[in-house]
Amino acid sequence: DGGITQSPKYLFRKEGQNVTLSCEQNLNHDAMYWYRQDPGQGLRLIYYSQIVNDFQKGDIAEGYSVSREKKESFPLTVTSAQKNPTAFYLCASNRREAARYGYTFGSGTRLTVV
Amino acid sequence: SQQGEEDPQALSIQEGENATMNCSYKTSINNLQWYRQNSGRGLVHLILIRSNEREKHSGRLRVTLDTSKKSSSLLITASRAADTASYFCATGTQGGSEKLVFGKGTKLTVNP
Repeated sequence: DGGITQSPKYLFRKEGQNVTLSCEQNLNHDAMYWYRQDPGQGLRLIYYSQIVNDFQKGDIAEGYSVSREKKESFPLTVTSAQKNPTAFYLCASNRREAARYGYTFGSGTRLTVV
Repeated sequence: SQQGEEDPQALSIQEGENATMNCSYKTSINNLQWYRQNSGRGLVHLILIRSNEREKHSGRLRVTLDTSKKSSSLLITASRAADTASYFCATGTQGGSEKLVFGKGTKLTVNP
Protein backbone atom coordinates (compact mmCIF):
# COMPACT_ATOMS: atom_id res chain seq x y z
CA ASP A 1 0.00 0.00 0.00
CA GLY A 2 1.20 3.50 -0.80
CA GLY A 3 1.69 6.00 1.92
CA ILE A 4 3.99 8.20 3.96
CA THR A 5 6.25 6.79 6.64
CA GLN A 6 7.62 8.99 9.39
CA SER A 7 10.26 7.78 11.79
CA PRO A 8 10.89 7.61 14.60
CA LYS A 9 7.49 7.88 16.27
CA TYR A 10 9.05 9.35 19.42
CA LEU A 11 12.34 11.24 19.64
CA PHE A 12 14.15 12.76 22.57
CA ARG A 13 16.71 15.50 22.11
CA LYS A 14 19.22 16.89 24.54
CA GLU A 15 19.90 20.59 24.68
CA GLY A 16 22.31 21.63 21.93
CA GLN A 17 21.81 18.55 19.80
CA ASN A 18 20.74 18.38 16.19
CA VAL A 19 18.23 15.67 15.35
CA THR A 20 16.84 14.48 12.02
CA LEU A 21 13.30 13.34 11.40
CA SER A 22 12.70 11.00 8.51
CA CYS A 23 9.86 11.22 5.98
CA GLU A 24 9.55 8.75 3.09
CA GLN A 25 6.68 8.40 0.60
CA ASN A 26 5.99 5.83 -2.11
CA LEU A 27 3.07 7.68 -3.68
CA ASN A 28 5.13 9.22 -6.48
CA HIS A 29 4.08 12.64 -5.22
CA ASP A 30 6.10 15.65 -6.33
CA ALA A 31 5.36 17.94 -3.39
CA MET A 32 6.27 17.33 0.24
CA TYR A 33 5.71 19.41 3.36
CA TRP A 34 6.75 19.63 7.00
CA TYR A 35 4.36 21.01 9.60
CA ARG A 36 4.73 21.60 13.31
CA GLN A 37 1.79 21.16 15.69
CA ASP A 38 1.77 22.42 19.27
CA PRO A 39 -0.86 21.28 21.81
CA GLY A 40 -4.29 22.63 21.02
CA GLN A 41 -2.97 24.43 17.97
CA GLY A 42 -3.25 24.09 14.26
CA LEU A 43 -0.48 23.20 11.88
CA ARG A 44 2.26 25.64 11.01
CA LEU A 45 4.31 25.18 7.88
CA ILE A 46 8.08 24.78 8.35
CA TYR A 47 9.39 23.93 4.87
CA TYR A 48 8.01 22.58 1.63
CA SER A 49 9.39 21.19 -1.59
CA GLN A 50 7.65 20.96 -4.92
CA ILE A 51 10.44 19.24 -6.82
CA VAL A 52 13.68 17.40 -6.18
CA ASN A 53 16.64 19.61 -5.21
CA ASP A 54 14.39 22.57 -4.48
CA PHE A 55 12.60 23.69 -1.32
CA GLN A 56 11.12 26.84 0.19
CA LYS A 57 10.79 28.22 3.69
CA GLY A 58 7.41 28.19 5.33
CA ASP A 59 6.17 30.41 8.13
CA ILE A 60 8.46 29.09 10.89
CA ALA A 61 11.66 27.89 9.16
CA GLU A 62 14.14 29.36 11.67
CA GLY A 63 16.09 26.64 13.46
CA TYR A 64 15.17 23.96 10.92
CA SER A 65 16.80 22.64 7.75
CA VAL A 66 15.71 20.22 5.03
CA SER A 67 17.02 18.48 1.94
CA ARG A 68 15.30 16.94 -1.08
CA GLU A 69 17.83 14.76 -2.86
CA LYS A 70 15.28 12.11 -3.83
CA LYS A 71 11.64 12.38 -4.78
CA GLU A 72 10.69 9.88 -2.10
CA SER A 73 12.48 11.48 0.82
CA PHE A 74 12.25 14.83 2.64
CA PRO A 75 14.16 14.71 5.96
CA LEU A 76 13.86 17.52 8.50
CA THR A 77 16.73 18.48 10.79
CA VAL A 78 15.91 20.30 13.99
CA THR A 79 19.03 22.24 14.85
CA SER A 80 20.28 23.57 18.17
CA ALA A 81 19.19 27.02 16.96
CA GLN A 82 15.56 25.99 17.43
CA LYS A 83 14.94 27.12 20.98
CA ASN A 84 11.61 25.45 21.57
CA PRO A 85 11.58 22.24 19.52
CA THR A 86 9.22 20.17 21.67
CA ALA A 87 6.23 19.55 19.38
CA PHE A 88 4.48 17.07 17.12
CA TYR A 89 5.94 17.08 13.60
CA LEU A 90 3.88 16.05 10.60
CA CYS A 91 5.07 15.32 7.09
CA ALA A 92 2.68 15.45 4.13
CA SER A 93 2.79 15.00 0.39
CA ASN A 94 0.63 15.40 -2.67
CA ARG A 95 0.63 15.86 -6.39
CA ARG A 96 1.61 19.13 -8.00
CA GLU A 97 -1.06 21.82 -8.04
CA ALA A 98 -1.49 21.00 -4.38
CA ALA A 99 -4.40 23.30 -3.84
CA ARG A 100 -6.68 21.11 -5.96
CA TYR A 101 -6.09 17.89 -4.04
CA GLY A 102 -5.93 16.77 -0.50
CA TYR A 103 -2.69 16.10 1.28
CA THR A 104 -1.61 12.68 2.49
CA PHE A 105 -0.11 12.83 5.96
CA GLY A 106 2.29 10.60 7.84
CA SER A 107 1.53 9.51 11.39
CA GLY A 108 3.89 12.05 12.94
CA THR A 109 6.99 12.25 15.13
CA ARG A 110 6.72 13.54 18.67
CA LEU A 111 9.92 15.36 19.63
CA THR A 112 10.72 16.12 23.24
CA VAL A 113 13.67 18.05 24.63
CA VAL A 114 15.12 16.45 27.74
CA SER B 1 0.20 32.50 9.21
CA GLN B 2 -3.12 30.82 10.03
CA GLN B 3 -5.97 31.68 7.74
CA GLY B 4 -8.87 29.56 8.93
CA GLU B 5 -10.51 29.88 12.32
CA GLU B 6 -12.77 27.04 13.39
CA ASP B 7 -15.72 27.52 15.66
CA PRO B 8 -16.43 26.18 18.21
CA GLN B 9 -13.06 25.20 19.64
CA ALA B 10 -14.69 22.21 21.32
CA LEU B 11 -17.99 20.42 20.83
CA SER B 12 -19.52 17.59 22.87
CA ILE B 13 -22.62 15.75 21.65
CA GLN B 14 -24.45 12.46 22.09
CA GLU B 15 -24.23 9.61 19.63
CA GLY B 16 -26.85 9.98 16.92
CA GLU B 17 -26.90 13.77 17.03
CA ASN B 18 -25.59 15.98 14.24
CA ALA B 19 -22.37 17.93 14.67
CA THR B 20 -21.75 21.26 12.94
CA MET B 21 -18.38 22.97 12.79
CA ASN B 22 -17.67 26.30 11.18
CA CYS B 23 -14.61 27.79 9.56
CA SER B 24 -13.97 31.42 8.70
CA TYR B 25 -11.08 32.68 6.61
CA LYS B 26 -9.66 36.01 5.57
CA THR B 27 -8.34 36.04 2.01
CA SER B 28 -9.69 34.82 -1.31
CA ILE B 29 -9.38 31.10 -1.84
CA ASN B 30 -9.61 28.63 -4.70
CA ASN B 31 -10.62 25.75 -2.48
CA LEU B 32 -11.28 24.79 1.13
CA GLN B 33 -10.58 21.38 2.61
CA TRP B 34 -11.56 19.59 5.81
CA TYR B 35 -9.32 17.16 7.64
CA ARG B 36 -9.75 14.90 10.64
CA GLN B 37 -7.11 14.07 13.25
CA ASN B 38 -7.42 11.35 15.84
CA SER B 39 -5.44 11.99 18.99
CA GLY B 40 -1.70 11.66 18.41
CA ARG B 41 -2.09 10.73 14.76
CA GLY B 42 -1.67 12.32 11.36
CA LEU B 43 -4.42 14.16 9.53
CA VAL B 44 -6.80 12.45 7.14
CA HIS B 45 -8.33 14.32 4.21
CA LEU B 46 -12.14 14.29 4.34
CA ILE B 47 -13.50 16.54 1.63
CA LEU B 48 -12.54 19.40 -0.70
CA ILE B 49 -14.87 22.11 -1.97
CA ARG B 50 -13.88 24.51 -4.73
CA SER B 51 -14.58 28.22 -4.63
CA ASN B 52 -17.23 27.93 -7.34
CA GLU B 53 -19.13 25.25 -5.41
CA ARG B 54 -21.65 25.93 -2.65
CA GLU B 55 -22.28 22.49 -1.21
CA LYS B 56 -20.73 19.06 -1.32
CA HIS B 57 -21.62 15.71 0.21
CA SER B 58 -19.59 12.64 1.07
CA GLY B 59 -21.35 9.91 3.04
CA ARG B 60 -22.44 11.45 6.35
CA LEU B 61 -20.48 14.62 5.66
CA ARG B 62 -21.94 17.78 4.22
CA VAL B 63 -19.81 20.83 3.52
CA THR B 64 -21.04 24.27 2.55
CA LEU B 65 -19.06 27.24 1.35
CA ASP B 66 -20.12 30.88 1.33
CA THR B 67 -17.39 32.89 -0.36
CA SER B 68 -19.23 36.18 0.21
CA LYS B 69 -19.01 35.60 3.97
CA LYS B 70 -15.66 33.83 3.72
CA SER B 71 -16.98 30.91 5.72
CA SER B 72 -17.58 27.17 5.50
CA SER B 73 -19.36 24.63 7.61
CA LEU B 74 -18.90 20.90 8.09
CA LEU B 75 -21.93 18.88 9.14
CA ILE B 76 -21.56 15.31 10.36
CA THR B 77 -24.94 13.61 10.50
CA ALA B 78 -25.92 10.76 12.83
CA SER B 79 -22.63 10.98 14.70
CA ARG B 80 -20.90 7.94 16.17
CA ALA B 81 -18.42 7.57 19.01
CA ALA B 82 -15.80 6.81 16.35
CA ASP B 83 -16.24 10.34 14.98
CA THR B 84 -14.49 11.67 18.10
CA ALA B 85 -11.49 13.60 16.77
CA SER B 86 -10.25 17.08 15.94
CA TYR B 87 -11.41 18.59 12.69
CA PHE B 88 -9.41 21.18 10.76
CA CYS B 89 -10.24 23.36 7.82
CA ALA B 90 -7.49 24.30 5.39
CA THR B 91 -7.54 26.84 2.62
CA GLY B 92 -5.80 26.91 -0.72
CA THR B 93 -5.40 30.47 -1.88
CA GLN B 94 -5.78 32.00 -5.28
CA GLY B 95 -2.71 32.85 -7.26
CA GLY B 96 -1.39 29.36 -7.67
CA SER B 97 0.00 28.94 -4.19
CA GLU B 98 0.98 25.36 -3.58
CA LYS B 99 0.50 25.62 0.15
CA LEU B 100 -2.47 24.88 2.35
CA VAL B 101 -3.02 27.00 5.45
CA PHE B 102 -4.66 25.24 8.40
CA GLY B 103 -6.88 26.53 11.19
CA LYS B 104 -6.61 25.58 14.86
CA GLY B 105 -9.34 22.95 14.72
CA THR B 106 -12.52 21.92 16.50
CA LYS B 107 -12.27 19.11 19.01
CA LEU B 108 -15.37 16.94 18.69
CA THR B 109 -16.37 14.46 21.38
CA VAL B 110 -19.23 12.07 20.65
CA ASN B 111 -20.51 10.41 23.81
CA PRO B 112 -21.93 6.88 23.51
